[in-house]
Amino acid sequence: DSGVTQTPKHLITATGQRVTLRCSPRSGDLSVYWYQQSLDQGLQFLIQYYNGEERAKGNILERFSAQQFPDLHSELNLSSLELGDSALYFCASSPDNRAEEQYFGPGTRLTVT
Amino acid sequence: QQPVQSPQAVILREGEDAVINCSSSKALYSVHWYRQKHGEAPVFLMILLKGGEQKGHDKISASFNEKKQQSSLYLTASQLSYSGTYFCGTRSNDYKLSFGAGTTVTVRA
Repeated sequence: DSGVTQTPKHLITATGQRVTLRCSPRSGDLSVYWYQQSLDQGLQFLIQYYNGEERAKGNILERFSAQQFPDLHSELNLSSLELGDSALYFCASSPDNRAEEQYFGPGTRLTVT
Repeated sequence: QQPVQSPQAVILREGEDAVINCSSSKALYSVHWYRQKHGEAPVFLMILLKGGEQKGHDKISASFNEKKQQSSLYLTASQLSYSGTYFCGTRSNDYKLSFGAGTTVTVRA
């Protein structure tokens, strides 16, 4: 158990819908990272927040957005969902903003039908 | 840019050794290695910072050649528990970690 929690574990929704994935980092960690893992794409970095502010952006679509709240939990919002958005979404956390040792949560499996 | 890992997959018998390579076309600040077992989250193994250091984690070690922008992960005397997909992540002078496509390791008794 890494100490990072993610909810929900599974999510099944239809195309065009909007969903919110939630992540709570390990106690004391200030950075949260979001990754998308699909069969043909591997682990793709989406975005990083550090202490409430966006720190780095990866291959995140405009339909996706994220934020980190004052209590350091983070949410990833996915809208206008497409079949290709079906994937495992991981959240990871680390103590600082240098993308060093990251602890991954169990992931949220999103299925878009 | 995504680093390139090789091989894509390797099958070992218990006790055998293997090497997984990771290379990047960009100048690297650090290389990170993670292992992911089927249906689970990736688990951190080690980080190598530029400077050519070598690190170890049990009988798993790694090296980093910053001049060649390459890293290698060495699995020595493999155990059944070493099975999984190994990912290298590379970081340049920004905060983004780019992961390779992964190398699937299967260790058989």
